[in-house]
Amino acid sequence: GENVEQHPSTLSVQEGDSAVIKCTYSDSASNYFPWYKQELGKGPQLIIDIRSNVGEKKDQRIAVTLNKTAKHFSLHITETQPEDSAVYFCAASKGRGYQKVTFGTGTKLQVIP
Amino acid sequence: DSGVTQTPKHLITATGQRVTLRCSPRSGDLSVYWYQQSLDQGLQFLIQYYNGEERAKGNILERFSAQQFPDLHSELNLSSLELGDSALYFCASSVDSPGYEQYFGPGTRLTVT
Repeated sequence: GENVEQHPSTLSVQEGDSAVIKCTYSDSASNYFPWYKQELGKGPQLIIDIRSNVGEKKDQRIAVTLNKTAKHFSLHITETQPEDSAVYFCAASKGRGYQKVTFGTGTKLQVIP
Repeated sequence: DSGVTQTPKHLITATGQRVTLRCSPRSGDLSVYWYQQSLDQGLQFLIQYYNGEERAKGNILERFSAQQFPDLHSELNLSSLELGDSALYFCASSVDSPGYEQYFGPGTRLTVT
């Protein structure tokens, strides 16, 4: 089955700096890659996603890039703010027709004011 | 607020007991997914229902079962509980069976003593 690896497991950045979280996946048939943010005591919240026919997607300070050949995708957060502090999960699935989503192990991001 | 509700928020019970977790999906969503989140296992997909029918199974133990009712709410039943079943249990919903975007509820924290 699909295996998703996520790095780093923890990340500390100064406020205003950029943060990058990287994930690799094993199943070349995967074609949908969502990113979730989980704040303490809450459920994961979808923040951005990318489908395999797109190489990059941006939403304000957040961007995701996808390299299908290398089977890796990354989350980029620019101009980090203290409220960005949370655990971030990447995930992969085969999308339409396949319901199982495989999650990475999570990255705890701390933004230091 | 994702629109997905889960009850109860917390549940403390003893080994060997049986509990039921409840989930109401977002209005209009036909699919419900159940996940288990523990410290050492991350987010694990358990099972998915679409419009009352089971559609996908993940790492769900035989002691666990789920169903989705005609009003689309879902229940996850956990029986013969063990200490290792202590975890956060999340429900997510999406528009249709192959729906990409999943929206998570706030979770139920289960503690087995």
